[in-house]
Amino acid sequence: DIQMTQSPSSLSASVGDRVTITCQASQDISNYLNWYQQKPGKAPKVLIYDASNLETGVPSRFSGSGSGTDFTFTISSLQPEDIATYFCQQNDDVPLTFGGGTKVEIK
Amino acid sequence: EVQLVQSGAEVKKPGESLRISCEGSGYNFSTYWISWVRQMPGKGLEWIGRIDPRDSYTNYSPSFKGHVTTSADKSITTAYLQWSSLRASDTAMYYCARHGGYGLARFDYWGQGTLVTVSS
Repeated sequence: DIQMTQSPSSLSASVGDRVTITCQASQDISNYLNWYQQKPGKAPKVLIYDASNLETGVPSRFSGSGSGTDFTFTISSLQPEDIATYFCQQNDDVPLTFGGGTKVEIK
Repeated sequence: EVQLVQSGAEVKKPGESLRISCEGSGYNFSTYWISWVRQMPGKGLEWIGRIDPRDSYTNYSPSFKGHVTTSADKSITTAYLQWSSLRASDTAMYYCARHGGYGLARFDYWGQGTLVTVSS
């Protein structure tokens, strides 16, 4: 199985701050990496697919980069509505696997 | 509008059987694979397995293989996840999700989730 190591597990930042989350795969997954946002009590929502593509309708303050084993997810200017848990997920091979999640809070 | 609508919450006893459903609408159901994802209380996301509704071909995570079964009835655009013998450790929220493209594409649409509680 491909292990996905996501960090940090939680962070606290101020409105307007730049927020960065990293995800490392245990083997080369090319660009088969997606990022999801999950708000409390809701289903996850895809924000970034194939490492750097913004899903339709998602605000441009969200972005992703990376390839191979190392990936980064960025919120350029944190907004109050971005309070959520974020997960990376590899879709290079089955079993599909997720990172452990990053809980983002407002300072 | 694409929608995945899941069946309601269930409360079961250990050893009982259960089938939960996920009805797709607003798109050609046979064209996109459906996966199931588990989220235990306060925990992260775990992929259970996927099905191709066109031919019912499946893949399972080794962690779930043999304990759950996924199936689909394309005539009523519905996918299912079932257990023959539930355990207390199956208590979780279960989501169905559509692969939004060819093969193992990202999950572009999700069901609202089905909460399964297994308790004696």
